[in-house]
Amino acid sequence: KQEVTQIPAALSVPEGENLVLNCSFTDSAIYNLQWFRQDPGKGLTSLLLIQSSQREQTSGRLNASLDKSSGRSTLYIAASQPGDSATYLCAVRDTDKLIFGTGTRLQVFP
Amino acid sequence: GAGVSQSPSNKVTEKGKDVELRCDPISGHTALYWYRQRLGQGLEFLIYFQGNSAPDKSGLPSDRFSAERTGESVSTLTIQRTQQEDSAVYLCASSLVGTDTQYFGPGTRLTVL
Repeated sequence: KQEVTQIPAALSVPEGENLVLNCSFTDSAIYNLQWFRQDPGKGLTSLLLIQSSQREQTSGRLNASLDKSSGRSTLYIAASQPGDSATYLCAVRDTDKLIFGTGTRLQVFP
Repeated sequence: GAGVSQSPSNKVTEKGKDVELRCDPISGHTALYWYRQRLGQGLEFLIYFQGNSAPDKSGLPSDRFSAERTGESVSTLTIQRTQQEDSAVYLCASSLVGTDTQYFGPGTRLTVL
């Protein structure tokens, strides 16, 4: 059974810091891996999607890497801003459904 | 519509009552998913609809949970005889067949007293 783990569970950093969020999964037979952002009272917003054949994806200040053989992904956020404060979820696609980690709650303070 | 919508946004009910949660997917999206997020936990897959195919119900936690979808439109998730452990945010997502990105609605927060 696929299990997805995220560390740290919570992170508080000053504005401007570069930071790394970690995601690990137990079964390397995945179709893809996605990183989402969840804001309180709102739905999930997809940030980056990495196909199983890819190693990384970049969007603006965000960079996500995937090492399928070791069951790991990282989300790198450069020059963090207070607007980045949210919960970040990673999810692996298992056939048709997504299996989510429990998330990292990020707070960026001015 | 512009995105996935869900109603109600909040629902408070008494233990033992039945509830219905509604999801309106993005127009043209043939795939529809329901997930549940309990406090402090990750999202759990509940059920998946794809066009006219039989739904994947493998994530439904008990026979008190059921869901329907007519064609490629609205879906309703029904929870019968609600229990306190059913309290959670219920999220709906839709996607185009052949694509990987799921678009999520804002969720329905269900509280069972």
